[in-house]
Amino acid sequence: NAGVTQTPKFRVLKTGQSMTLLCAQDMNHEYMYWYRQDPGMGLRLIHYSVGEGTTAKGEVPDGYNVSRLKKQNFLLGLESAAPSQTSVYFCASSYRIMNTEAFFGQGTRLTVV
Amino acid sequence: AQSVSQHNHHVILSEAASLELGCNYSYGGTVNLFWYVQYPGQHLQLLLKYFSGDPLVKGIKGFEAEFIKSKFSFNLRKPSVQWSDTAEYFCAVNPASGTYKYIFGTGTRLKVLA
Repeated sequence: NAGVTQTPKFRVLKTGQSMTLLCAQDMNHEYMYWYRQDPGMGLRLIHYSVGEGTTAKGEVPDGYNVSRLKKQNFLLGLESAAPSQTSVYFCASSYRIMNTEAFFGQGTRLTVV
Repeated sequence: AQSVSQHNHHVILSEAASLELGCNYSYGGTVNLFWYVQYPGQHLQLLLKYFSGDPLVKGIKGFEAEFIKSKFSFNLRKPSVQWSDTAEYFCAVNPASGTYKYIFGTGTRLKVLA
């Protein structure tokens, strides 16, 4: 049982380049989330999805786009990377919205130079 | 705005010392409460959770937390820490209504000296 899998695990981008982070979960979870983790700031929600075909903005959505074309996948895109987007990105999923925990992926360490 | 506050940013303890990490949240309605742990280089793992019922919750690895509704707090405790407890600890809140998201505190970095 893989749980939540993120691809890639590490990436270095040049300013202005684009990339897509993939999150896949095999638990048939309805809800999926993208967070970024920065020192001293905890985890901040970028975007989330409450089901296939739906997405919504979180706390820090600027510079990112997402898509949930399939229930098991949640993609996070950076159209034009900036050094401020250097961070560790975590994907999470949950079965329902209440009375359940979120399960996290291993994280993607992204450096923008 | 809904928020979660963790007052201790860095904690250093010797092995066998007792631990208490504070967590306060600002949401006034029904909430789910969580403590997650992140060992160096790893992803977040659930330590314990509170949904309803007994406000004293026991989790894995000897951790427990107490929900005090009147104080909007969910403090994490462990009677005797081990070197292997060195990690970062995050408190999280999931409000029962409004937006569908888990709100995290800024984390507490715990270092246990052998």
